[in-house]
Amino acid sequence: NAGVTQTPKFQVLKTGQSMTLQCAQDMNHNSMYWYRQDPGMGLRLIYYSASEGTTDKGEVPNGYNVSRLNKREFSLRLESAAPSQTSVYFCASSERWYGYTFGSGTRLTVV
Amino acid sequence: KNEVEQSPQNLTAQEGEFITINCSYSVGISALHWLQQHPGGGIVSLFMLSSGKKKHGRLIATINIQEKHSSLHITASHPRDSAVYICAVLTFNNQFYFGTGTSLTVIP
Repeated sequence: NAGVTQTPKFQVLKTGQSMTLQCAQDMNHNSMYWYRQDPGMGLRLIYYSASEGTTDKGEVPNGYNVSRLNKREFSLRLESAAPSQTSVYFCASSERWYGYTFGSGTRLTVV
Repeated sequence: KNEVEQSPQNLTAQEGEFITINCSYSVGISALHWLQQHPGGGIVSLFMLSSGKKKHGRLIATINIQEKHSSLHITASHPRDSAVYICAVLTFNNQFYFGTGTSLTVIP
Protein backbone atom coordinates (compact mmCIF):
# COMPACT_ATOMS: atom_id res chain seq x y z
CA ASN A 1 0.00 0.00 0.00
CA ALA A 2 1.23 3.48 -0.85
CA GLY A 3 2.09 5.66 2.08
CA VAL A 4 4.70 6.73 4.60
CA THR A 5 6.66 4.06 6.44
CA GLN A 6 8.40 4.87 9.71
CA THR A 7 10.73 2.68 11.70
CA PRO A 8 11.01 1.76 14.48
CA LYS A 9 7.53 1.98 16.08
CA PHE A 10 8.88 1.95 19.62
CA GLN A 11 12.30 2.69 21.09
CA VAL A 12 13.78 3.11 24.55
CA LEU A 13 17.12 4.90 24.81
CA LYS A 14 19.41 5.75 27.65
CA THR A 15 20.43 9.36 28.07
CA GLY A 16 23.37 10.09 25.78
CA GLN A 17 22.70 7.29 23.29
CA SER A 18 22.20 8.05 19.64
CA MET A 19 19.70 6.72 17.14
CA THR A 20 18.22 7.36 13.73
CA LEU A 21 14.52 7.30 12.90
CA GLN A 22 13.88 6.20 9.36
CA CYS A 23 11.11 7.42 7.07
CA ALA A 24 10.30 6.49 3.50
CA GLN A 25 7.42 7.45 1.21
CA ASP A 26 6.41 5.96 -2.11
CA MET A 27 4.02 8.65 -3.34
CA ASN A 28 6.66 10.70 -5.17
CA HIS A 29 6.00 13.66 -2.86
CA ASN A 30 8.53 16.46 -2.91
CA SER A 31 8.08 17.64 0.68
CA MET A 32 8.80 15.62 3.80
CA TYR A 33 8.55 16.56 7.47
CA TRP A 34 9.48 15.39 10.95
CA TYR A 35 7.21 16.34 13.85
CA ARG A 36 7.07 15.59 17.50
CA GLN A 37 3.83 15.36 19.43
CA ASP A 38 3.72 16.01 23.15
CA PRO A 39 0.66 16.03 25.41
CA GLY A 40 -1.15 19.38 25.34
CA MET A 41 1.20 20.88 22.77
CA GLY A 42 0.03 19.54 19.46
CA LEU A 43 2.33 18.69 16.59
CA ARG A 44 5.54 20.69 16.37
CA LEU A 45 7.78 20.76 13.34
CA ILE A 46 11.36 19.66 13.92
CA TYR A 47 12.76 19.78 10.38
CA TYR A 48 11.36 19.72 6.91
CA SER A 49 12.63 19.13 3.42
CA ALA A 50 10.85 20.98 0.64
CA SER A 51 12.60 18.92 -2.02
CA GLU A 52 15.39 16.42 -2.48
CA GLY A 53 18.68 17.95 -1.42
CA THR A 54 17.22 20.65 0.83
CA THR A 55 16.45 20.69 4.54
CA ASP A 56 15.28 23.48 6.83
CA LYS A 57 14.80 23.92 10.54
CA GLY A 58 11.33 23.96 11.98
CA GLU A 59 10.09 25.15 15.33
CA VAL A 60 12.08 22.78 17.59
CA PRO A 61 15.28 21.65 15.78
CA ASN A 62 17.72 21.64 18.71
CA GLY A 63 19.15 18.21 19.46
CA TYR A 64 18.23 16.78 16.06
CA ASN A 65 19.76 16.39 12.63
CA VAL A 66 18.17 15.23 9.41
CA SER A 67 19.20 13.79 6.07
CA ARG A 68 17.16 13.80 2.88
CA LEU A 69 18.90 10.81 1.37
CA ASN A 70 16.86 10.86 -1.83
CA LYS A 71 13.34 11.78 -2.82
CA ARG A 72 11.88 8.82 -0.93
CA GLU A 73 13.79 8.89 2.35
CA PHE A 74 14.09 11.43 5.15
CA SER A 75 15.82 10.37 8.36
CA LEU A 76 15.95 12.03 11.77
CA ARG A 77 18.96 11.56 14.03
CA LEU A 78 19.32 12.13 17.74
CA GLU A 79 23.06 12.39 18.42
CA SER A 80 22.85 12.40 22.22
CA ALA A 81 19.38 11.62 23.48
CA ALA A 82 17.94 13.55 26.42
CA PRO A 83 14.83 12.84 28.53
CA SER A 84 13.26 16.01 27.04
CA GLN A 85 13.22 14.19 23.70
CA THR A 86 10.78 11.60 25.01
CA SER A 87 7.89 12.04 22.61
CA VAL A 88 5.97 10.56 19.73
CA TYR A 89 7.62 11.33 16.41
CA PHE A 90 5.74 11.51 13.13
CA CYS A 91 7.11 11.66 9.65
CA ALA A 92 4.88 13.09 6.91
CA SER A 93 5.05 13.85 3.24
CA SER A 94 3.03 16.17 1.04
CA GLU A 95 2.60 17.55 -2.38
CA ARG A 96 1.08 21.02 -2.17
CA TRP A 97 -2.25 20.40 -3.79
CA TYR A 98 -2.43 16.63 -3.44
CA GLY A 99 -2.63 15.97 0.24
CA TYR A 100 -0.66 15.23 3.27
CA THR A 101 0.16 11.73 4.55
CA PHE A 102 1.54 10.75 7.94
CA GLY A 103 3.52 7.75 9.06
CA SER A 104 2.22 5.70 11.96
CA GLY A 105 4.57 7.28 14.49
CA THR A 106 7.53 6.30 16.64
CA ARG A 107 7.09 6.29 20.40
CA LEU A 108 10.48 7.19 21.89
CA THR A 109 11.32 7.07 25.58
CA VAL A 110 14.64 8.39 26.86
CA VAL A 111 15.51 7.25 30.37
CA LYS B 1 1.20 33.02 20.56
CA ASN B 2 -0.44 30.25 18.58
CA GLU B 3 -1.01 30.79 14.88
CA VAL B 4 -3.87 28.27 14.90
CA GLU B 5 -6.58 28.15 17.56
CA GLN B 6 -9.18 25.41 17.79
CA SER B 7 -12.36 25.25 19.80
CA PRO B 8 -13.58 23.51 21.75
CA GLN B 9 -10.63 21.63 23.22
CA ASN B 10 -12.85 18.80 24.37
CA LEU B 11 -16.29 17.79 23.19
CA THR B 12 -18.64 15.05 24.30
CA ALA B 13 -21.71 14.29 22.22
CA GLN B 14 -24.51 11.76 22.13
CA GLU B 15 -24.64 9.44 19.15
CA GLY B 16 -26.58 11.07 16.34
CA GLU B 17 -25.80 14.66 17.29
CA PHE B 18 -24.52 17.24 14.83
CA ILE B 19 -21.00 18.33 15.77
CA THR B 20 -19.03 21.44 14.88
CA ILE B 21 -15.35 22.02 15.51
CA ASN B 22 -13.89 25.46 14.82
CA CYS B 23 -10.47 26.61 13.67
CA SER B 24 -9.21 30.19 13.52
CA TYR B 25 -5.80 31.18 12.21
CA SER B 26 -3.76 34.35 12.11
CA VAL B 27 -1.40 33.79 9.16
CA GLY B 28 -1.90 33.97 5.43
CA ILE B 29 -2.44 30.50 4.08
CA SER B 30 -2.45 28.66 0.80
CA ALA B 31 -4.36 25.67 2.21
CA LEU B 32 -5.92 24.30 5.37
CA HIS B 33 -6.04 20.66 6.42
CA TRP B 34 -8.28 18.81 8.81
CA LEU B 35 -6.61 15.77 10.34
CA GLN B 36 -8.02 12.94 12.44
CA GLN B 37 -6.00 11.08 15.07
CA HIS B 38 -7.48 7.98 16.66
CA PRO B 39 -6.44 6.51 20.00
CA GLY B 40 -3.36 4.49 19.16
CA GLY B 41 -1.93 7.46 17.33
CA GLY B 42 -2.30 7.19 13.57
CA ILE B 43 -3.00 10.50 11.82
CA VAL B 44 -5.15 10.68 8.72
CA SER B 45 -5.77 13.66 6.49
CA LEU B 46 -9.52 14.21 6.12
CA PHE B 47 -9.67 17.33 3.97
CA MET B 48 -7.48 19.87 2.27
CA LEU B 49 -9.22 23.18 1.56
CA SER B 50 -8.25 26.42 -0.05
CA SER B 51 -11.76 27.85 -0.45
CA GLY B 52 -15.43 27.04 -0.05
CA LYS B 53 -16.66 23.71 1.18
CA LYS B 54 -15.89 20.01 0.86
CA LYS B 55 -18.00 17.01 1.82
CA HIS B 56 -16.99 13.41 2.38
CA GLY B 57 -19.67 11.11 3.71
CA ARG B 58 -20.89 12.56 7.02
CA LEU B 59 -18.04 15.04 7.22
CA ILE B 60 -18.23 18.58 5.90
CA ALA B 61 -15.44 21.15 6.00
CA THR B 62 -15.84 24.84 5.23
CA ILE B 63 -13.41 27.70 5.06
CA ASN B 64 -13.81 31.47 5.01
CA ILE B 65 -10.53 32.95 3.83
CA GLN B 66 -11.53 36.55 4.58
CA GLU B 67 -12.45 35.72 8.18
CA LYS B 68 -9.53 33.26 8.58
CA HIS B 69 -11.85 30.61 9.91
CA SER B 70 -12.71 27.01 9.13
CA SER B 71 -15.23 24.60 10.54
CA LEU B 72 -15.45 20.82 10.52
CA HIS B 73 -18.96 19.42 10.84
CA ILE B 74 -19.94 15.83 11.56
CA THR B 75 -23.55 14.89 10.86
CA ALA B 76 -25.23 11.94 12.61
CA SER B 77 -22.22 11.39 14.85
CA HIS B 78 -21.20 7.84 15.75
CA PRO B 79 -18.93 6.41 18.47
CA ARG B 80 -16.36 5.52 15.79
CA ASP B 81 -15.98 9.28 15.16
CA SER B 82 -14.34 9.55 18.59
CA ALA B 83 -10.87 10.90 17.92
CA VAL B 84 -8.76 14.02 18.10
CA TYR B 85 -9.38 16.41 15.21
CA ILE B 86 -6.51 18.70 14.28
CA CYS B 87 -6.57 21.79 12.12
CA ALA B 88 -3.36 22.56 10.21
CA VAL B 89 -2.60 25.49 7.92
CA LEU B 90 -0.01 25.71 5.15
CA THR B 91 1.49 29.12 4.57
CA PHE B 92 2.67 30.50 1.23
CA ASN B 93 6.29 29.79 2.21
CA ASN B 94 5.50 26.12 2.90
CA GLN B 95 5.33 26.28 6.69
CA PHE B 96 2.74 24.17 8.49
CA TYR B 97 1.15 25.33 11.73
CA PHE B 98 -1.06 23.07 13.83
CA GLY B 99 -3.83 23.56 16.31
CA THR B 100 -3.60 21.58 19.54
CA GLY B 101 -6.58 19.49 18.56
CA THR B 102 -10.16 18.91 19.63
CA SER B 103 -10.79 15.68 21.49
CA LEU B 104 -14.21 14.32 20.52
CA THR B 105 -15.99 11.56 22.39
CA VAL B 106 -19.29 10.27 21.01
CA ILE B 107 -21.32 8.30 23.53
CA PRO B 108 -23.67 5.54 22.33
